[in-house]
Amino acid sequence: SQQGEEDPQALSIQEGENATMNCSYKTSINNLQWYRQNSGRGLVHLILIRSNEREKHSGRLRVTLDTSKKSSSLLITASRAADTASYFCVASGYSTLTFGKGTMLLVSP
Amino acid sequence: SQTIHQWPATLVQPVGSPLSLECTVEGTSNPNLYWYRQAAGRGLQLLFYSVGIGQISSEVPQNLSASRPQDRQFILSSKKLLLSDSGFYLCAWRTGHESSPLHFGNGTRLTVT
Repeated sequence: SQQGEEDPQALSIQEGENATMNCSYKTSINNLQWYRQNSGRGLVHLILIRSNEREKHSGRLRVTLDTSKKSSSLLITASRAADTASYFCVASGYSTLTFGKGTMLLVSP
Repeated sequence: SQTIHQWPATLVQPVGSPLSLECTVEGTSNPNLYWYRQAAGRGLQLLFYSVGIGQISSEVPQNLSASRPQDRQFILSSKKLLLSDSGFYLCAWRTGHESSPLHFGNGTRLTVT
């Protein structure tokens, strides 16, 4: 199974600033997915980028993928206090998806 | 629309007691089903996954087992809980398509005392 590793482990910013999280993985993938987890809750799927795509947008989210470097980044623009959560990437194969430890994002009002 | 139900939400069990956590999915057929465990402040550890009835794959040898008695039912069990089994257990499903995202339940917070 492929595993994503997020960086940084924790990120603290002010409302209105942009937040950038990075993800690295080790093997070939079909796609890479980003998830969000509010404290004590299940994870919610945010966005998926396929291995033949380089950039994808969804609302305030922008994801990039560099398969040559085996890395991805998630950018949240104009952050809000409600964006406070942990964010996980997962490099996806077929049957299993293995998560890293996540980036804990704190957005202060 | 598809929904996933996981219960109970919280559970406190003594060491040595049995465990049964249940997860059911509605609105889809033949889903791939997953059990993850998350220790405090940590990432998710894949415990078991199933691509069909009676088909269980274990990712980590441990004190737990899983069963899939029906197409949309996934059960996590233990005969005797250990302190180290404490954690946040998450059930998830996805379709068999390689681009399908995971859909998670709300989780069960298990504390073994």
